[in-house]
Amino acid sequence: KAGVTQTPRYLIKTRGQQVTLSCSPISGHRSVSWYQQTPGQGLQFLFEYFSETQRNKGNFPGRFSGRQFSNSRSEMNVSTLELGDSALYLCASSLDYQETQYFGPGTRLLVL
Amino acid sequence: DAKTTQPPSMDCAEGRAANLPCNHSTISGNEYVYWYRQIHSQGPQYIIHGLKNNETNEMASLIITEDRKSSTLILPHATLRDTAVYYCIVRATIQGAQKLVFGQGTRLTINP
Repeated sequence: KAGVTQTPRYLIKTRGQQVTLSCSPISGHRSVSWYQQTPGQGLQFLFEYFSETQRNKGNFPGRFSGRQFSNSRSEMNVSTLELGDSALYLCASSLDYQETQYFGPGTRLLVL
Repeated sequence: DAKTTQPPSMDCAEGRAANLPCNHSTISGNEYVYWYRQIHSQGPQYIIHGLKNNETNEMASLIITEDRKSSTLILPHATLRDTAVYYCIVRATIQGAQKLVFGQGTRLTINP
């Protein structure tokens, strides 16, 4: 089975722009979670989707949003980018919201 | 969320068993202990998880104390490729959703 895939793998944006990151879960997985990893804050939970519904959201500003499609693929969007949004964005999928999460390779975003 | 405490770093000789401790003294009765590792800022890799009983898989063994307040991850024959940051996580379930709360982890270095 293919693992979690994330596109793009690397991205450079400038302040004020917006960005959309994509995540394709493991086949059959219905839950997708997003995390942000920075050197200062470590790995932090952004939000989780199950059956196209956001089930939980972390403590991030409204500039961070996401959605899940009927095929369980998920996207996250960050609007009005700030320098501090530079990070590794990780997507994880699981069969169900109670099951083990498996992570993708991440998208490394650099905001200049 | 139950918090975990791990030593910031550990060293182990190649070929020896690596024993990584984790303290989770405030864990609730229905919370699992999960272990992930992260190599060079790749996506975290799932290793093993358990509730009460000791668990073993092809990667590692997990020993959970009877009072469940601490656990130990054992890599039986460590190799250089096991050099990574190891995260011990107590899975928090909030309002039916789940999120993983990552601490700082243990940076394990396997020495030749």
